[in-house]
Amino acid sequence: EIVMTQSPATLSVSPGERATLSCRASQSVTTNLAWYQQKPGQAPRLLIYGASTRATGIPARFSGGGSGTEFTLIINSLQSEDFAVYYCQQYNNWPRAFGPGTKVDMK
Amino acid sequence: QVQLVESGGDVVQSGRSLRLSCKASGFTFRSYGMHWVRQAPGKGLEWVAVIWSDGSDRYSTDSVKGRFTISRDNSKNMLFLQMNSLRAEDTAVYYCARDRGSGSYFFDYWGLGTLVTVSS
Repeated sequence: EIVMTQSPATLSVSPGERATLSCRASQSVTTNLAWYQQKPGQAPRLLIYGASTRATGIPARFSGGGSGTEFTLIINSLQSEDFAVYYCQQYNNWPRAFGPGTKVDMK
Repeated sequence: QVQLVESGGDVVQSGRSLRLSCKASGFTFRSYGMHWVRQAPGKGLEWVAVIWSDGSDRYSTDSVKGRFTISRDNSKNMLFLQMNSLRAEDTAVYYCARDRGSGSYFFDYWGLGTLVTVSS
């Protein structure tokens, strides 16, 4: 079973700054890695799949990278609507696994 | 537009059963795999189960094996989760989510969820 970890647990960022989130898999998932955004009281929303492909309608300030076991999500010029919890998820193996999440809050 | 609407959540006693439903619309349901994902109060996301687009295959996480059964009715655009022998640790919001493909990919659309509370 693949275990996903994320760091940091909380990231405090000012609007307009860049946020860099990390995700690690306990074994290689190649590029079968997705990122989701979840705001309080809402369902998760797909941001990135294939480690680096933005989902439909996702702004270009969101970018993903990495392969194997190390992945990053970068949010450039953070907007007020970007303050949320971000989860990575591997879809290379069963069972599917999510990371514990990184909360991006306002500094 | 793609819509997924869950229902069936309730407060139930430990050991009892519950059946969740998810009504899909806005896409060709029979062409996509479907998942259930849950989120305990204040916690992260946990994948629960998947069923292939044609119902030919299904997987579930170990903690629900033998207790939960995922199924679908492609003629009615419906997804189900039969939950038996419920435990306190099954308390969560249950989301249905569409697979990007037939069942082995990521989740591109999510419903708003339905809350299951298991009381001891």
